[in-house]
Amino acid sequence: GAVVSQHPSRVICKSGTSVKIECRSLDFQATTMFWYRQFPKQSLMLMATSNEGSKATYEQGVEKDKFLINHASLTLSTLTVTSAHPEDSSFYICSASPLGTSHWEAQYFGPGTRLLVL
Amino acid sequence: GENVEQHPSTLSVQEGDSAVIKCTYSDSASNYFPWYKQELGKRPQLIIDIRSNVGEKKDQRIAVTLNKTAKHFSLHITETQPEDSAVYFCAASIDNQGGKLIFGQGTELSVKP
Repeated sequence: GAVVSQHPSRVICKSGTSVKIECRSLDFQATTMFWYRQFPKQSLMLMATSNEGSKATYEQGVEKDKFLINHASLTLSTLTVTSAHPEDSSFYICSASPLGTSHWEAQYFGPGTRLLVL
Repeated sequence: GENVEQHPSTLSVQEGDSAVIKCTYSDSASNYFPWYKQELGKRPQLIIDIRSNVGEKKDQRIAVTLNKTAKHFSLHITETQPEDSAVYFCAASIDNQGGKLIFGQGTELSVKP
């Protein structure tokens, strides 16, 4: 149980285009999902906290107009990288916490999406 | 905000030896400390966690210790095996911040056969 999927697994796009990444909790409901970005050989940097039915909370330094987050249901959160540029190329990973648990429960991570902007 | 420092950045051990990775955190309000193992290009996998009301936790070859006074926690892997080779991340979480995790910089562990 507690499986999180992401789609697509990898995407290559041209500079200036927008890319949407989906994060789904397959066998549980999640009121909260988190989006991380990981550059090669670096740590996971939290970008934002996605809450179902409300606006996302962005970490300091993350542009909310560039990284649009929509948590439309208890099983789906999407991250849209708008007007992507080469410096946005990275590994984007989401995680989810099951509904009804406190933060004590471990977060379940998706497999990640590798974005390459040419 | 919370800051987590992790050392060493790389660690090479011989198969069968022990490996220790250390993390310090800045916010005394942090009360949940998980450790993740990440293989190249894969998702992080939780290997062990500890809460602030516990000083030590063990699961087979893996153990974690927490010193709240000094604000540091450590991962101990005994009898290392080549399949333990990966990047290990520590993280810290604060109860009233919705469960968000702040990660350390990571340690690349290499276990040589």
